[in-house]
Amino acid sequence: AQTVTQSQPEMSVQEAETVTLSCTYDTSESDYYLFWYKQPPSRQMILVIRQEAYKQQNATENRFSVNFQKAAKSFSLKISDSQLGDAAMYFCAYRSTVTGANSKLTFGKGITLSVRP
Amino acid sequence: ETGVTQSPTHLIKTRGQQVTLRCSSQSGHNTVSWYQQALGQGPQFIFQYYREEENGRGNFPPRFSGLQFPNYSSELNVNALELDDSALYLCASSSLAGATGANVLTFGAGSRLTVL
Repeated sequence: AQTVTQSQPEMSVQEAETVTLSCTYDTSESDYYLFWYKQPPSRQMILVIRQEAYKQQNATENRFSVNFQKAAKSFSLKISDSQLGDAAMYFCAYRSTVTGANSKLTFGKGITLSVRP
Repeated sequence: ETGVTQSPTHLIKTRGQQVTLRCSSQSGHNTVSWYQQALGQGPQFIFQYYREEENGRGNFPPRFSGLQFPNYSSELNVNALELDDSALYLCASSSLAGATGANVLTFGAGSRLTVL
């Protein structure tokens, strides 16, 4: 079974600065997908960024980028130019490509990010 | 296009009761999945429905059951409620059941269940 670990429960960043959120995972599969989701106080999960394991190039979405280290099974999220609206819980998630239930995401425990004005 | 809507937003039940939570999927989506998110934890996959049938299940007992309707909306039913069932229940819809692509889920805002 796959596991996702987010060992930092909380982080804080100054507005306009850069912050990196860490995530490690464990799997025996060679092909899979990784995601970062944001959950604001409104509770709705919002996709931030996704990475396909077979792609070596790190995914980027505007101010959000990842550092995907497949051999180390590490998938960190970098938020540049942090904004007050970035304050939320962030979840790292894994999805297998072999399961028939392709809505099955395995989530980490999450990290609470606060942004200081 | 409309997103995923869930009802009710909050509810309180007592131990042993039964509860039904509802979810309307995003327009164009044919697959619905349900997740349980305990306080301070990440969501855990309960099951997925495609073409009105369950086609994937997480580590949850049979008293967690569901339905999907022809319009792709869905219900989550929980019987014999236990205190540990208190959680946020998230519904997510997607459009590529069985596909191997990066099936992106659209989540609703959840139903907060408290069991006393």
